[in-house]
Amino acid sequence: KAGVTQTPRYLIKTRGQQVTLSCSPISGHRSVSWYQQTPGQGLQFLFEYFSETQRNKGNFPGRFSGRQFSNSRSEMNVSTLELGDSALYLCASSLVLGSRGYTFGSGTRLTVV
Amino acid sequence: GNSVTQMEGPVTLSEEAFLTINCTYTATGYPSLFWYVQYPGEGLQLLLKATKADDKGSNKGFEATYRKETTSFHLEKGSVQVSDSAVYFCALSDTGNQFYFGTGTSLTVIP
Repeated sequence: KAGVTQTPRYLIKTRGQQVTLSCSPISGHRSVSWYQQTPGQGLQFLFEYFSETQRNKGNFPGRFSGRQFSNSRSEMNVSTLELGDSALYLCASSLVLGSRGYTFGSGTRLTVV
Repeated sequence: GNSVTQMEGPVTLSEEAFLTINCTYTATGYPSLFWYVQYPGEGLQLLLKATKADDKGSNKGFEATYRKETTSFHLEKGSVQVSDSAVYFCALSDTGNQFYFGTGTSLTVIP
């Protein structure tokens, strides 16, 4: 079966712009989580969605937002981009909340210039 | 709070050497523990997991045992291969289902 699909793979944006990243989970998976990965901070949890509702949120400013659609696909939006937002953004899906194991996508590499 | 501490890298080993990557955790309650692997340019892949104390997770020759008394989940492999070169992440999942990752340990295996 197809894995977790993230689009686009690479993105270059200018400071102050906004960006939307997309994640399609494995078919049948209803939980989608987002992580930011940087060399300095490692993997940091952004948020988790299940059944179109945000169930959990990490310690990121309000510029970071997300949503989940009825088909479980999820989008993440970052507004007013800053240089420090440059990172690999990883999406992970699981069958349900508490399934104790994510499947990750390959990520979207965002570069802010 | 919850946290995961991994040994600092990078780690360089010769092919067929024994590998240990240390991982200790702090958690309230009874977390599940995981090892993920990340190959260059890729996302994370689940390598193995253990959901309760004394469980041993294993996959592809890698093993880790959930030790509640020492709050550890060390990753081991008896004989590494060049293809094992990657970054390894230890992680825990608490009862709230949020994952906490270690900082990752880079492994390079040389022929």
